[in-house]
Amino acid sequence: AQTVTQSQPEMSVQEAETVTLSCTYDTSESDYYLFWYKQPPSRQMILVIRQEAYKQQNATENRFSVNFQKAAKSFSLKISDSQLGDAAMYFCAYRGSNTGNQFYFGTGTSLTVIP
Amino acid sequence: KAGVTQTPRYLIKTRGQQVTLSCSPISGHRSVSWYQQTPGQGLQFLFEYFSETQRNKGNFPGRFSGRQFSNSRSEMNVSTLELGDSALYLCASSEFSGTDTQYFGPGTRLTVL
Repeated sequence: AQTVTQSQPEMSVQEAETVTLSCTYDTSESDYYLFWYKQPPSRQMILVIRQEAYKQQNATENRFSVNFQKAAKSFSLKISDSQLGDAAMYFCAYRGSNTGNQFYFGTGTSLTVIP
Repeated sequence: KAGVTQTPRYLIKTRGQQVTLSCSPISGHRSVSWYQQTPGQGLQFLFEYFSETQRNKGNFPGRFSGRQFSNSRSEMNVSTLELGDSALYLCASSEFSGTDTQYFGPGTRLTVL
C-alpha cells in the first residue's frame, strides 16, 4: 500500500522568509501524481501545487515550488516570501495511476507564520 | 464556477442514529470522493463515485455507504452511529475518475454524542 510521510508535525517561519516542508512517500508504481494541499483554520482544503511523476521539471506556482526527487521518493514544498495568510496545515498527497481517485494523505504539517 | 458545496456544515447526533451528508460537485465534474478527517487517523479515503457507480472503496465498515445521482450530486450515509464517527467529512470532486486533481468542499463537522 502507498504511504505518505510528513515528518514535521509543526514548523514556523518568519514573515518574508523561506520555509521548506518535507514529504516522503512509498510506492511501487512508476506513474503517479503528487500534491500539496493547504487547510487553513476555515477547514477548506485548497490545492497548492501538483507534480506529475513523469515530469522531471519541478512544479512552481508563484511563491510555492517543489523539490521532486523521484529516486529518493521525496517531494518537499518550498514557500518563499512567507505571508501571514500562509499559516495553515499543509498536507502532502499521493495519487497513483492505478488507484482511481483514491488519494493517500500524509499526517500534515502545521505551519505558523511569525510577524 | 461555483465550488464544491456540502450540507449541512455542522451536525450533532447521538449514538445509534443514522445520518446523511450531501455533496454537490463543481459543475461538470462527474467524480465525487469522500474522506473522513480525524485528529488521530488523519485523512482517510471512504469511497469514490463516478457516473452513479462506486469506483473505489476505502477500509471502512459497511455502516458507511454512499450513492451518486444522475446530476453527480452525492450523498453519504452512516448508520448506527458510534462515538468514533465524530469527524470532519470532506467531499472532493474532479472532472473524471482518475484525473489528477480533486477540489474539496468545506466539509461537514459531525459530532456524535
